[in-house]
Amino acid sequence: DVKVTQSSRYLVKRTGEKVFLECVQDMDHENMFWYRQDPGLGLRLIYFSYDVKMKEKGDIPEGYSVSREKKERFSLILESASTNQTSMYLCASSLWVAGRPDTQYFGPGTRLTVL
Amino acid sequence: QQQVKQSPQSLIVQKGGIPIINCAYENTAFDYFPWYQQFPGKGPALLIAIRPDVSEKKEGRFTISFNKSAKQFSLHIMDSQPGDSATYFCAASKKGAQKLVFGQGTRLTINP
Repeated sequence: DVKVTQSSRYLVKRTGEKVFLECVQDMDHENMFWYRQDPGLGLRLIYFSYDVKMKEKGDIPEGYSVSREKKERFSLILESASTNQTSMYLCASSLWVAGRPDTQYFGPGTRLTVL
Repeated sequence: QQQVKQSPQSLIVQKGGIPIINCAYENTAFDYFPWYQQFPGKGPALLIAIRPDVSEKKEGRFTISFNKSAKQFSLHIMDSQPGDSATYFCAASKKGAQKLVFGQGTRLTINP
């Protein structure tokens, strides 16, 4: 079974803090993704990575950065947290099959609150 | 620009009823349409998927209907159960694209 783990289930931070969200997958997947989930807005892609040290902006990258130093680990960084970044953050991973990402496997999510 | 529009945003159905969730897309290059199911406190998980060469796909009580000309697809849940209560996301992708485009999600509640 594919397992995607996220470092924290709940996190409370203060405005201006630097925040690190960690994600680890154990199935040697090439692709990793960070989404945020907000009611009525669905899943919005922040960043994704298709290889070590490679990253691509998603639909809402502003205010975020990412790091992928090892294949199994993908980190999301909020350089200076703001209240509008309060959200559920979901990490996912997938293989690359026949020219596209295959089934995405999601972690349980991190609910971040920025005060 | 939202490329996949999902409706309704929330849906309440009695046990045994047939909830229907609809999605519409704009990009005719999309050729893979998965549905993900998310239970409270969990991440989404793939439920069922369809490609546009077929008009319908069934897996157990879950059916996807696909209308290529209308650029619409929908999820039907037969004999719905309280355990089906979850948030459902439709999505779309095209070959060569590195990401899925998700709909806004539907929060489904099945009352006993």
